Amino acid sequence: DAGITQSPRHKVTETGTPVTLRCHQTENHRYMYWYRQDPGHGLRLIHYSYGVKDTDKGEVSDGYSVSRSKTEDFLLTLESATSSQTSVYFCAIREGQGNEKLFFGSGTQLSVL
Amino acid sequence: AQRVTQPEKLLSVFKGAPVELKCNYSYSGSPELFWYVQYSRQRLQLLLRHISRESIKGFTADLNKGETSFHLKKPFAQEEDSAMYYCALDSGAGSYQLTFGKGTKLSVIP
Repeated sequence: DAGITQSPRHKVTETGTPVTLRCHQTENHRYMYWYRQDPGHGLRLIHYSYGVKDTDKGEVSDGYSVSRSKTEDFLLTLESATSSQTSVYFCAIREGQGNEKLFFGSGTQLSVL
Repeated sequence: AQRVTQPEKLLSVFKGAPVELKCNYSYSGSPELFWYVQYSRQRLQLLLRHISRESIKGFTADLNKGETSFHLKKPFAQEEDSAMYYCALDSGAGSYQLTFGKGTKLSVIP
């Protein structure tokens, strides 16, 4: 296993407040990703990182920012949370050499009231 | 732009019956396709990828470039197969960005 943890596991917040979700990995993987999972939409890529301080936007990046100041941590920030950002957020890392696959964290259930 | 279509939101089959979860894609290059599975209260995990041409838990999937499909099949469904299944396509941009379909929930009836 890739040793990937997400925190918090659950969070309830109010509209307009900032929220930061953390993804932590222990095995020095270069690529890290943030996805959101919504019924009827599947998984959609928010942002991804290909190294320290190297990040790029995914399909649904509006309203989100990320930071990666060290290899092991990839932070997702909602600057001003909205109800449309209520979702389950999954972090993933790219694992393996020659047989690459994505390994997912357990997810963060975020509710914006 | 690439797209992955899973036409069925929900598929119910009886235990022991054959299963086919459909996946169609649109992509201009040479695709790399995957099936991921999410069991209840568990994280998403890779089920299989077309390059490996392997069978995992009795499931197989064949890439059909002519029909742009990558359907997931199993000859005899088991109750433990009940889960959410996602088909995914690699963008090939070098950063291993996966585009996922909307998922199909498989329910195996005892």
